[in-house]
Amino acid sequence: EVRLVESGGGQVQPGGSLRLSCEGSGFPFSQYWIHWVRQDPGKRLMWVSRIDSDGTSTSYADSVRGRFTISRDNTKNRVYLQMNGLRVEDTAVYFCTRESTHWGRGTLVAVSS
Amino acid sequence: DVVLTQSPLSLPVTLGQAASISCRSSESLQYSDGNTYVNWFQQRPGQSPRRLIHNVSNRDSGVPDRFGGSGSGTDFTLTISRVEAEDIAVYYCMQGSHWPPTFGQGTRLEMK
Repeated sequence: EVRLVESGGGQVQPGGSLRLSCEGSGFPFSQYWIHWVRQDPGKRLMWVSRIDSDGTSTSYADSVRGRFTISRDNTKNRVYLQMNGLRVEDTAVYFCTRESTHWGRGTLVAVSS
Repeated sequence: DVVLTQSPLSLPVTLGQAASISCRSSESLQYSDGNTYVNWFQQRPGQSPRRLIHNVSNRDSGVPDRFGGSGSGTDFTLTISRVEAEDIAVYYCMQGSHWPPTFGQGTRLEMK
């Protein structure tokens, strides 16, 4: 069974940092691109970032570029999202997804003072 | 970014009746390879999104055949032929033809 499990969310003040993790199992992790998608409190979905199968190519939404960094460790079946300079508008549930076919349950990031 | 506009935003339905959700794009979603990368997702309360339809009209594995997708260019539709109780959810369209991928704002299917 394909599983994706996110962790690392929490409450942080504006300007703070968090590192999200997405662990995959039940499939050949190193063969798949992984994406991060977030859902804000109003339930709007927004694509955040993606990384290719071997970690050599990454992309970001304009609103997070320069603040967020995606990476992966295929020996640990994990993808990471380092989030710096967090803003109130980054408050959302963050999902990792395997090419939109399989999704984790999400981890909540709450940015407030 | 490509803007996807769904309508209606709320759709009251009676079990057993048909339901249709529209998704209109700010520009054509036909990609240079000839494919059109439009997906539809279902999100039940408290759950993660689940992909139902990919590339406009292809049902994903395990998706009941009462769900269908159609459209081309800038206009796309998700149709449920006979709504069942388990279909009560929010539905999102998504495009992957232009960078970055974008989502519609969601349509809430609810019991009349």
